[in-house]
Amino acid sequence: DIQMTQSPSTLSASVGDRVTITCRASQSISSWLAWYQQKPGKAPKLLIYMTSSLQSGVPSRFSGSGSGTEFTLTISSLQPDDFATYYCQQYNSSPTFGQGTKVEIK
Amino acid sequence: QLQLQESGPGLVKPSETLSLTCTVSGGSIRGGSISRTGYYWGWIRQPPGKGLEWIGSIYYSGNTYYNPSLKSRVIISVDTSKNQISLKLTSVTAADTAVYYCARQGVVTPNNWFDPWGQGILVSVSA
Repeated sequence: DIQMTQSPSTLSASVGDRVTITCRASQSISSWLAWYQQKPGKAPKLLIYMTSSLQSGVPSRFSGSGSGTEFTLTISSLQPDDFATYYCQQYNSSPTFGQGTKVEIK
Repeated sequence: QLQLQESGPGLVKPSETLSLTCTVSGGSIRGGSISRTGYYWGWIRQPPGKGLEWIGSIYYSGNTYYNPSLKSRVIISVDTSKNQISLKLTSVTAADTAVYYCARQGVVTPNNWFDPWGQGILVSVSA
């Protein structure tokens, strides 16, 4: 199995901040990476696939980058609706997820 | 708009079998009839307060792919006439307590992202 490690586990930020979450794979996954947002009691929502492709309807303040083993999700200007937990997921092989990063209000 | 809805018992006794159904509406499990390429459909679970774990996936034709850590206990099946996929997990323990989600994947390969997701169903394992 490919292990996915996210950092940080928790991130405290304010509205308007630029936020970056990192996801590292235990081996190269090329660009086969997706990002999800999950709010309490809700299903995960796809934000980005193929490392940097924005899912339809997702605000442009979300962006993704990286390749190989290191990837980032960036929120350019944090909005009140963005406080949530974020997960990365690799699909180079059998899907595996990172442990999640909770973005909380500072 | 494609929608997925999980259903089944919310409580299962230890050592018994967990059985869930995912009903797809607003589209066909088979996918696009013109291209003859269908979608993969997956099950994912999330223990309370924890992260996400892929359980397995199925192609509309019935080909299955399972998480190696659960493979010996999982059966996923598809009923295209009812537009449903099903999950059976045998010999459950408290560690199988989780919210269970179904989700659509892509075509061609089960190694894909998940979108959209069902709302999820909490299944507790307890005597």
